[in-house]
Amino acid sequence: GAGVSQSPRYKVAKRGQDVALRCDPISGHVSLFWYQQALGQGPEFLTYFQNEAQLDKSGLPSDRFFAERPEGSVSTLKIQRTQQEDSAVYLCASSPISYGYTFGSGTRLTVV
Amino acid sequence: AQSVTQLGSHVSVSEGALVLLRCNYSSSVPPYLFWYVQYPNQGLQLLLKYTTGATLVKGINGFEAEFKKSETSFHLTKPSAHMSDAAEYFCAVLKAAGNKLTFGGGTRVLVKP
Repeated sequence: GAGVSQSPRYKVAKRGQDVALRCDPISGHVSLFWYQQALGQGPEFLTYFQNEAQLDKSGLPSDRFFAERPEGSVSTLKIQRTQQEDSAVYLCASSPISYGYTFGSGTRLTVV
Repeated sequence: AQSVTQLGSHVSVSEGALVLLRCNYSSSVPPYLFWYVQYPNQGLQLLLKYTTGATLVKGINGFEAEFKKSETSFHLTKPSAHMSDAAEYFCAVLKAAGNKLTFGGGTRVLVKP
């Protein structure tokens, strides 16, 4: 597609519920990144894929967070047993092999 | 480790006035530097980037930034603010191509008529 597509745009989850956030990157983009943006703050790195390989997951805040990109295209960020501190905007970005990141519009997750 | 500091979380300017947003970084190697803009409920849009070459970089919407290695700065300017410039602006640093971006905390710009 023309841009990075994320779904859903908004998600309200009850505390303890599992959620799955989807990112559809620009076709052909090798690299894919997930960032977490808390209210009033800059985005914080979560994880990075090159094709289907997860090369860096150092930013995932706990083992409740899991990301995958099984076919090197669409990626899913899964959060198990959501907590209130997980409330944030989750941004996905994709890029060709070098720099040149394109961000999606994000998914706003609210845990109640 | 890299870090990015944006001085001033909020900036208020009058329409037509100079916009100056400050960004300082710390990096053990010469980084790639970026400015992004974020409008409400939207993702990040690239304004401009510095990789190599000319240290004065021009971007979209009349913005420009100058890389000053000696000051480890990459301040963003626009000579004349427009109402549509009201948004949040993020400075970011990239250590190497393909690696992750490290963002500053952001500066929210308010434009007064």
